[in-house]
This record gives sequence, structure tokens and C-alpha cells, in this order.
Amino acid sequence: GAVVSQHPSRVICKSGTSVKIECRSLDFQATTMFWYRQFPKQSLMLMATSNEGSKATYEQGVEKDKFLINHASLTLSTLTVTSAHPEDSSFYICSARDRWGPLPGELFFGEGSRLTVL
Amino acid sequence: KQEVTQIPAALSVPEGENLVLNCSFTDSAIYNLQWFRQDPGKGLTSLLLIQSSQREQTSGRLNASLDKSSGRSTLYIAASQPGDSATYLCAVSSVHEAGTALIFGKGTTLSVSS
Repeated sequence: GAVVSQHPSRVICKSGTSVKIECRSLDFQATTMFWYRQFPKQSLMLMATSNEGSKATYEQGVEKDKFLINHASLTLSTLTVTSAHPEDSSFYICSARDRWGPLPGELFFGEGSRLTVL
Repeated sequence: KQEVTQIPAALSVPEGENLVLNCSFTDSAIYNLQWFRQDPGKGLTSLLLIQSSQREQTSGRLNASLDKSSGRSTLYIAASQPGDSATYLCAVSSVHEAGTALIFGKGTTLSVSS
């Protein structure tokens, strides 16, 4: 199946700093990527939908100025957590849809990035 | 608003047992349903995808069924093994747009003892 690479897998930062997480589709083009957040023992909550070449669409309750999303190419989307605080500590996972894949609607997920804000 | 529920939240079985994980969703107008596996601290591995026009999909020891009218899906695992221990997530996407994201349940955490 299609491969989605996410980097870094783990990051620890001080409160107030910004952290960038990259999501790449390695062997396919992804016009749409999705960013999720997962707290311990909870399910994945959709944060935003990232469309190549346009502004991201954020879910209700997600601050767009805090979680900056850029989808500049068909294979790369980035999530920047700005002025991170301890409550932003979480597991962030990206996913992408293969626009030419055999199964319409199938999503492929990255390995996730664990953010710890001290 | 679509809501996905998974029962049970946790399940412990001895090796070799056949088991069933349940998933229900409130809005039957789905585009597809996908089952995932998640190991602790890891990302998601796609197990099976069922299109809305399909009733079931099989992969090895796994079989997933879909009853759209009743808003239910089941994941059947045959002859469970310790390596099957993980959290299993069910997710659905809306029929209104093929490009919408998946909505997830909270998962069933499976533990298979040897």
C-alpha cells in the first residue's frame, strides 16, 4: 500500500517555542491530507483538512493561528505548533488520500509524532 | 453529526479464540468504512476497507462485515494470536464528499494471552 512518512517521530520542546511536523506521501500524490490529534487512551480527533495550494479547513475548536498548516506540494504538508504549551503535548498523526489509488476514499496514515512540551 | 461507537472498549482472550469486535455509526450515509490496527505509541495500520456498496471484506484471518442500514460493522478475528494484541479502530467517511476525513471510534483494546 501507499506509504506516508511523518517526521519527527518524537520531539521535546520548551514552552513558548514552535515545532514543525512534516508529513510526506512517498510514492503517491495527495491533494488532500488530514491532521489528527490523539490524547492518551482517546481516539483520533480531526484537527484540519489540508488541501494542496489552498488554505486548510479547521475543525471547530481548533485554533488556526496556533496550528499552522501548509500544503505547498502534492507530497508534503506541514503542521507547525506555534508558542507551544504543555497542554499541546499530544500524539499528532497525518493521513493522506491517494488521488489515483485503486480504492477511492482509502486513507493512509503516518507513524505519528509525539510532542512533549515542558 | 456522525458518531462512531465501538464495543467492547477492552477485551482479553486466550490464544486461539475466535472473536468479534463491534462498531456502530449514527449516520448510515457513509462512503466507506475502514478498520485499523494501532500498536502502543505507533501510527495506524489499515486492515480492511469496505465500500458502501459492499457487505464484507476478508484478509487472512480477518473478516469485516458492513450493514449500512443498521449502522453496524463487525471485525471477526479467527484463531487469535498474541501478536494480534493491539487497539483496533473503526472509522467511517461521509457519503457527501469522497474527500472528507474519517471519523473514528474510541477503539477496542485487545489482549491475547499465550
